Amino acid sequence: GAVVSQHPSRVICKSGTSVKIECRSLDFQATTMFWYRQFPKQSLMLMATSNEGSKATYEQGVEKDKFLINHASLTLSTLTVTSAHPEDSSFYICSAKGQGTDTQYFGPGTRLTVL
Amino acid sequence: GESVGLHLPTLSVQEGDNSIINCAYSNSASDYFIWYKQESGKGPQFIIDIRSNMDKRQGQRVTVLLNKTVKHLSLQIAATQPGDSAVYFCAENMRGSARQLTFGSGTQLTVLP
Repeated sequence: GAVVSQHPSRVICKSGTSVKIECRSLDFQATTMFWYRQFPKQSLMLMATSNEGSKATYEQGVEKDKFLINHASLTLSTLTVTSAHPEDSSFYICSAKGQGTDTQYFGPGTRLTVL
Repeated sequence: GESVGLHLPTLSVQEGDNSIINCAYSNSASDYFIWYKQESGKGPQFIIDIRSNMDKRQGQRVTVLLNKTVKHLSLQIAATQPGDSAVYFCAENMRGSARQLTFGSGTQLTVLP
């Protein structure tokens, strides 16, 4: 149980384009989903927290107009990197937790490379 | 600000030996702690968790110890295997916080043949 998937696993795009990453909880309802980014040899940095049906809460320094988050259902959240630039290249990871629980389960991550 | 940190960035152990990975936390309001394992190119995998009302919790080949007096957390892996090679992160959060886990910097565990 507690499986979280992400799609795509890898994406390469040109500078200036937008990329959408999907995060799905496969066997539980995720009332809260989190988006992280991780640079090589570093820890996970939280970007935003999203609750189903409400606006995401962004961490300081994360541009909400650049990283659009939608949590339209209890099993799906999406992160759209708009007008991507090479400095946005990173490993993006989502996690999800169900109502009344504290444990976050992570997706396998999405490697974004912006040329 | 308060943060979670790890004592050692790298740890090498012989296959079959026991491993101990340490973590220090500074947020006294944290009452839930998790250890994650992350293999290269993959997302973190839940290993074991512990709440602040406990001192010790055991899983399959893993044990987590919590010392609230000195704000220290450790992960013990028994009979370490090559498949245990990965980066291990401790994470903490506060009860009722919709938020987030605060992650430590990670320890790279390498199992030597």
